[in-house]
Amino acid sequence: AQRVTQPEKLLSVFKGAPVELKCNYSYSGSPELFWYVQYSRQRLQLLLRHISRESIKGFTADLNKGETSFHLKKPFAQEEDSAMYYCALSLSGGYNKLIFGAGTRLAVHP
Amino acid sequence: ETGVTQSPTHLIKTRGQQVTLRCSSQSGHNTVSWYQQALGQGPQFIFQYYREEENGRGNFPPRFSGLQFPNYSSELNVNALELDDSALYLCASSLAGTGGREQYFGPGTRLTVT
Repeated sequence: AQRVTQPEKLLSVFKGAPVELKCNYSYSGSPELFWYVQYSRQRLQLLLRHISRESIKGFTADLNKGETSFHLKKPFAQEEDSAMYYCALSLSGGYNKLIFGAGTRLAVHP
Repeated sequence: ETGVTQSPTHLIKTRGQQVTLRCSSQSGHNTVSWYQQALGQGPQFIFQYYREEENGRGNFPPRFSGLQFPNYSSELNVNALELDDSALYLCASSLAGTGGREQYFGPGTRLTVT
């Protein structure tokens, strides 16, 4: 069965520290992976997708098919990065269904 | 460009009642997906509508149903409400065939069943 696992409910770091939000997936097909973010009192929004291989707000994520992981990283956390982060898997073919992990709350302290 | 809107914002219903939630898709988007987000969980896919027809369904019973209208707006209907239906219901729109599969989410409707 398809599944996305985010093992940490809460990640607490100090400003300037490196951040790594973990995401592992289970899917036998060709996956498309995304990171969505929800800032306080805002709607869920796309942060980045593995296809684009882009860096958004200093965040990057590399798809590792061997380890079935898509960890989100940032070298120097900022207070404005505090938010809820969701890893999501889109299944190939057919319709555009997203399977989300349970989310990790990132708290960046001054 | 108009974003995804949902109504109402909050709703309180009694067990056994029926509820209708509404969603207007982002301008230019022709596909609408609905998700249920229980407290402390990630969103769970309910179903998707494209060209006014259901185009995929998650693991939800038939009492969860929907509609899509010619202007691409959508409704989610839930019959015979149960306490476990209490959740945030999210609507997301996208444009079929563009690749990338990016979905744009609305602010959600919080449903409380008592």
